[in-house]
Amino acid sequence: KQEVTQIPAALSVPEGENLVLNCSFTDSAIYNLQWFRQDPGKGLTSLLLIQSSQREQTSGRLNASLDKSSGRSTLYIAASQPGDSATYLCAVNQGAQKLVFGQGTRLTINP
Amino acid sequence: EAGVAQSPRYKIIEKRQSVAFWCNPISGHATLYWYQQILGQGPKLLIQFQNNGVVDDSQLPKDRFSAERLKGVDSTLKIQPAKLEDSAVYLCASSPVIAYEQYFGPGTRLTVT
Repeated sequence: KQEVTQIPAALSVPEGENLVLNCSFTDSAIYNLQWFRQDPGKGLTSLLLIQSSQREQTSGRLNASLDKSSGRSTLYIAASQPGDSATYLCAVNQGAQKLVFGQGTRLTINP
Repeated sequence: EAGVAQSPRYKIIEKRQSVAFWCNPISGHATLYWYQQILGQGPKLLIQFQNNGVVDDSQLPKDRFSAERLKGVDSTLKIQPAKLEDSAVYLCASSPVIAYEQYFGPGTRLTVT
């Protein structure tokens, strides 16, 4: 059974810092991995999707990496801003099966 | 392009009552998902539809939860009777095909008292 773990559960950093969020998964047989952002009281917004054959994806100040063999992914946020404050969730997709989510990392960027 | 629509946004009911949620996916998306997200946890898939057929409902508590997608477009999720532990946000998502990127609606926050 696939299990996804995100560490840390919460993170608070000053504005302008670069930061890394971690995601680990137990079964490396995945189709892709997706990072989401969730703002309080709102749904999930997809940030980046990495196919199993890819090593990383970039969008603006965000960079996600994938090491399938070790069961790890990281989300790197450069030059953090207060607007980046949200909960970040990673989820793995095992083909036709369901997305399995981690519990999320609640990020606070302090002005 | 319009996103995934859900209603209602909030619902408060007493235990043992019934409740229904509605979802309209992005136009043309064949796959529709219902997730349950309990406070402090990641979403958990309840049921997955491909057009109007069920692909996966292994985590749906079938004694009280039901879902349908009659014409392969919008969908309803029903809980009857509700329990206190059903308090959660119910998220609907859609994707063009299975295993492709999923797009989420704003969710329905259910409180069972």
